[in-house]
This record gives sequence, C-alpha cells and structure tokens, in this order.
Amino acid sequence: AQKVTQAQTEISVVEKEDVTLDCVYETRDTTYYLFWYKQPPSGELVFLIRRNSFDEQNEISGRYSWNFQKSTSSFNFTITASQVVDSAVYFCALSEADNAGNMLTFGGGTRLMVKP
Amino acid sequence: SQTIHQWPATLVQPVGSPLSLECTVEGTSNPNLYWYRQAAGRGLQLLFYSVGIGQISSEVPQNLSASRPQDRQFILSSKKLLLSDSGFYLCAWMTTGISLFGPGTRLTVT
Repeated sequence: AQKVTQAQTEISVVEKEDVTLDCVYETRDTTYYLFWYKQPPSGELVFLIRRNSFDEQNEISGRYSWNFQKSTSSFNFTITASQVVDSAVYFCALSEADNAGNMLTFGGGTRLMVKP
Repeated sequence: SQTIHQWPATLVQPVGSPLSLECTVEGTSNPNLYWYRQAAGRGLQLLFYSVGIGQISSEVPQNLSASRPQDRQFILSSKKLLLSDSGFYLCAWMTTGISLFGPGTRLTVT
C-alpha cells in the first residue's frame, strides 16, 4: 500500500527566508511517480512538479528546488527567498505505476505562511 | 490538451437535501476519473474512482455515491446530505504519471 507523510502541518517564515517542506513516502513498487501541488486560498490545485522513480536528479525551477532521495524515500521541496505569494498549502503525492487506477495518494499537506 | 470542468463552483444545501455534482473531461477518451474531497483545513481524501463507463470503485463507505454514465462524465451524488459532507470536491483525470484536477466545487451543508 502506498502512503505519503508530510510531518510538518504548518510552517511560518518571514519573507526572504528559505524554507524546506518535507515529504516521505512508502511504496512497494519500483516504478512510481511523485508530485508536488500548491493550493492557494482560492482552492484550486496547482501542479508544481512530477518525478518518476528512475530519475533522482534534483531539479531547480526559479526559487523552487526539489531533492529526491530514494535511499531515504524522501522528496523534499525547498523555496528559496520566500515571498508572501508563496503562502499556501502544499501537498506531496504518490502514484504507483502498477496501480490499476493510477490514483494519487496525498500527504496531509503543509500550510506555509510567509509573513512580510 | 485535456480540460476538466466541474459544476457548480459553489453550492449551499440544507441537511437532508440531495446532491449532484458533475465533472466532464475534454481532450481524452476512456479516462480514469476520480472524486476527491477536502474537508476544511484537512488533506485530500479519495472518494471514488472509475476506469470506465459504469465502473465505480469506492474508497470510503459513506452516504455518497458516484456514477459514470458516459465516457467523459463522472457524477457524485447523495440522496440526503449530512453536515459532515461539507467540503471542497475535486474531480481529477489521471493516467500513468499524469494528473489533472478540475477547479473544484465548494459545498456547504447547513
């Protein structure tokens, strides 16, 4: 069975600070996909990144970066020089390729508050 | 490209009233479709998924039901709403390594 844990339920930082959101996953499959979504106060889910299990290369996109480590089953997300607009709930999710429905299992989410 | 439509966007219903939320997807055929619910301040819970017309799998026993009358249509229903049904309902399309979410329906049961 697949499981995603986001141990940090809420994080508060001051603008321009760096912040890392943790994500730990469990799966028995060797092929799987990991996702990060942002959910602003308006509610819609904004797709940020997808990683497959065979690609452990870290990725940087502007102020966002992701650190995927299969050895520790973690897929952490770092925001550099945070801004007030980064305030949102962030979800990590897992999809197993062998899952009949390709469904996503979400972590509980981390609420990030960036104060000016 | 694929697009998911959901309606209504918001809904306020009294306890005991029926519910029908609709989701349609464009740009793909025979999609795997999903209903997720997010209670206030909580995470996303998978309610139902469907891999084809008439095929529904339920993840959580409750007073909700789902139907797949057409290939690209997925409906979430209830005969009698409970206060605990309040939340944000998201429809999603997923295939291997790809997921797309609709804009959601915010349901308030009063």
